[in-house]
Amino acid sequence: ETGVTQTPRHLVMGMTNKKSLKCEQHLGHNAMYWYKQSAKKPLELMFVYNFKEQTENNSVPSRFSPECPNSSHLFLHLHTLQPEDSALYLCASSRGGLYNEQFFGPGTRLTVL
Amino acid sequence: EDQVTQSPEALRLQEGESSSLNCSYTVSGLRGLFWYRQDPGKGPEFLFTLYSAGEEKEKERLKATLTKKESFLHITAPKPEDSATYLCAVQAGRDDKIIFGKGTRLHILP
Repeated sequence: ETGVTQTPRHLVMGMTNKKSLKCEQHLGHNAMYWYKQSAKKPLELMFVYNFKEQTENNSVPSRFSPECPNSSHLFLHLHTLQPEDSALYLCASSRGGLYNEQFFGPGTRLTVL
Repeated sequence: EDQVTQSPEALRLQEGESSSLNCSYTVSGLRGLFWYRQDPGKGPEFLFTLYSAGEEKEKERLKATLTKKESFLHITAPKPEDSATYLCAVQAGRDDKIIFGKGTRLHILP
């Protein structure tokens, strides 16, 4: 595998389910990001991790819980989501300073019923 | 409030018809401006970073420029494979926030 991979690519869940999104980067980068992309809206930065430490949480509801066990892996744990949380969730990574050229994964298309 | 506005929202061009996409921003303390390309069903792909007014960067048929208030992405003699959504983002402020625009959907007709 090369670049940034995300699994699953598609996920349908009920509002009472618990699921996790996984992101893995094979680029040797130190920073990883979660973004939410909804139709007609700009990309929204959710969380930032730099060398496994969370450096940013953009007022994201607690039903989204990130986890970064090492610089190559990033998870987004989901529980009791709402239908408005349906969106494309993108993971990205970068080298060096935060927000340098970011490499994005293909995203997970999440549908909350 | 920091803002990034892209125009037009959508643009249809004939193959070979050059044009420009605009990204205007109102932020304090610009650290960098980024251009990305996003194809349907894929994540954004990095194109350029611009750091200061007057800077220009080129890649194949694309050229990005930056002023103190806006950036342009010039597309020269586009081909159908240039069809995509082009995203602009700025990094600014004391906390280095990154803010994306809504993007411009570009469609090049053969």
